[in-house]
Amino acid sequence: EVQLVESGGGLVKPGGSLRLSCEASGFTFSNAWMTWVRQAPGKGLEWVGHIKRKTNGGTTDDAAPVKGRFTISRDDSKNTLYLQMNSLKTEDTAVYYCTTDVGIEEAGYGYWGQGTLVTVSS
Amino acid sequence: QSVLTQPPSASGTPGQRVTISCSGSSSNIGSNYVYWYQQLPGTAPKLLIYRNNQRPSGVPDRFSGSKSGTSASLAISGLRSDDEVDYYCAAWDDSLSAVVFGGGTKLTVL
Repeated sequence: EVQLVESGGGLVKPGGSLRLSCEASGFTFSNAWMTWVRQAPGKGLEWVGHIKRKTNGGTTDDAAPVKGRFTISRDDSKNTLYLQMNSLKTEDTAVYYCTTDVGIEEAGYGYWGQGTLVTVSS
Repeated sequence: QSVLTQPPSASGTPGQRVTISCSGSSSNIGSNYVYWYQQLPGTAPKLLIYRNNQRPSGVPDRFSGSKSGTSASLAISGLRSDDEVDYYCAAWDDSLSAVVFGGGTKLTVL
């Protein structure tokens, strides 16, 4: 059974930093492109970025609002995805979801974690 | 302002067929697959349609997707009360090098 478990959310002041983790199981993590999607309270879904599998270069793509502030990384030996968030702004307040297509190209985000809430407030 | 445009709301009566539109451009819907997600309040989204019109296993055939040019649609037939949730379209955007989501459509079953 595929499982994605996010952790690391919490309350942080504007300008602060936070690192989210997403521990994966039930599939071959190293084969999968991994993605972060967020949802501000009462708002719609917003793509944050993804990291490709190493056979596709292991590179990342990020959404414009987080470019230069957020960094996505992965540790295939630990089956874990990370989101390092720096220079946080109040508008970054959201539930952050980890999601994946488990390595099946263009199959959509078929698996999601439960989400972790990040609140940026003074 | 979302890159993909969805109506904020849609409605129908039980048993009816409703469609939700998703409008984009040549850099997203016009040249890439469209995906649809369903989201119940307080829960993670669920994949409903992938590659424009494919249903993951377990998704009822009451749900169908289509795409024409730079627009896509999600159709729900045999409307049920538990279909009353939020729906989002999504696609890769070649110009932005990012996945873009629609703003979401809240479906009401009257």
